[in-house]
Amino acid sequence: AQSVAQPEDQVNVAEGNPLTVKCTYSVSGNPYLFWYVQYPNRGLQFLLKYITGDNLVKGSYGFEAEFNKSQTSFHLKKPSALVSDSALYFCAVRFYRDDKIIFGKGTRLHILP
Amino acid sequence: GAGVSQSPRYKVAKRGQDVALRCDPISGHVSLFWYQQALGQGPEFLTYFQNEAQLDKSGLPSDRFFAERPEGSVSTLKIQRTQQEDSAVYLCASSPLGDYTEAFFGQGTRLTVV
Repeated sequence: AQSVAQPEDQVNVAEGNPLTVKCTYSVSGNPYLFWYVQYPNRGLQFLLKYITGDNLVKGSYGFEAEFNKSQTSFHLKKPSALVSDSALYFCAVRFYRDDKIIFGKGTRLHILP
Repeated sequence: GAGVSQSPRYKVAKRGQDVALRCDPISGHVSLFWYQQALGQGPEFLTYFQNEAQLDKSGLPSDRFFAERPEGSVSTLKIQRTQQEDSAVYLCASSPLGDYTEAFFGQGTRLTVV
């Protein structure tokens, strides 16, 4: 069965430093992978996705993610963190376009001024 | 606006009451999803529609939960005889079919059962 794991409940990063939020997945086949961000009392906002092609995917607000098939990972990265990046981040996987999207439990990102 | 719209935004129900949550997807979106999100947790899949067809309802936690999308557009999630454990945010999302696109989420309905 397809699943996605976010091993860190919380990540703390100083403003201006690079950040990484980890995600690993398990699917039997080629995955479609997504990152979403959620601010308090808001719905989920799409950041970026990997469908096929280049392993490094660029998305909104300066975020990027690296797909690594051998390690079954899709870590979210940003070269220089902003305080406004503080939020809850969710990794998600969709096995096939006609299938449900499965979310990880989320990682709370704190950017310290 | 052109986004996914959910109503009501907040609902307080007495235990045992029935509730109905509405989702207006983005016009033309074939796929529609319902998720349940507990505080500080990730969204848990409930059910999935393609047009009016409910293709997957494996996430519905009990037979008290029922979802429909009779004309392939607006969807309603109904919870009968609400229990305290039903308290959560219910998220609706929609996406086009035929393209490997992301799902677009509404702001959710926060249900509190007292």
